[in-house]
Amino acid sequence: ETGVTQSPTHLIKTRGQQVTLRCSSQSGHNTVSWYQQALGQGPQFIFQYYREEENGRGNFPPRFSGLQFPNYSSELNVNALELDDSALYLCASSLVSLAGNEQFFGPGTRLTVL
Amino acid sequence: SQQGEEDPQALSIQEGENATMNCSYKTSINNLQWYRQNSGRGLVHLILIRSNEREKHSGRLRVTLDTSKKSSSLLITASRAADTASYFCATVPTGANNLFFGTGTRLTVIP
Repeated sequence: ETGVTQSPTHLIKTRGQQVTLRCSSQSGHNTVSWYQQALGQGPQFIFQYYREEENGRGNFPPRFSGLQFPNYSSELNVNALELDDSALYLCASSLVSLAGNEQFFGPGTRLTVL
Repeated sequence: SQQGEEDPQALSIQEGENATMNCSYKTSINNLQWYRQNSGRGLVHLILIRSNEREKHSGRLRVTLDTSKKSSSLLITASRAADTASYFCATVPTGANNLFFGTGTRLTVIP
């Protein structure tokens, strides 16, 4: 177990709705990254936050947004949900020193959009 | 888009045999990491190999990296039924801090 927690575990929404997913980082970690994993695929990078600022973004539209709080916990918000947003959403925390730190993943939130 | 690809996509072996998975990637990297995922749950970090390293060991795991061929391999020796999982390679491209994952290899170890 990594010490990274995510909530909720599962979530069902309908197309057009908005969703907020939460992540609590491992103690002492100041960086959180979010990934989307579609069924049968590898995770794809959504964005990363370092000390409450966005620190890199993958190829995702602006309706995917995030926050990182002073205690380094984080939220992923998705507006105007689409059917293709159905996936496992993973957050990962790390301690930034040199590039390419080991990342510690949470168990994920499985989002189903109907 | 995915950074790399694992080969094979699926592998089935008997307990006690060795399992080898390969990963190819596209860009220059700082390091390459291997992760394991059980049944669509969170990923567990297995091993990190830096771009200036060629081989690394951790328990029953052996990872090699050939930056000239942009490829890596993961060897699991003396496999166990508990090794059944999906295995992903992930690269950190030069200048980036995030991971780019491959498509994964689904390993099944038959008791």
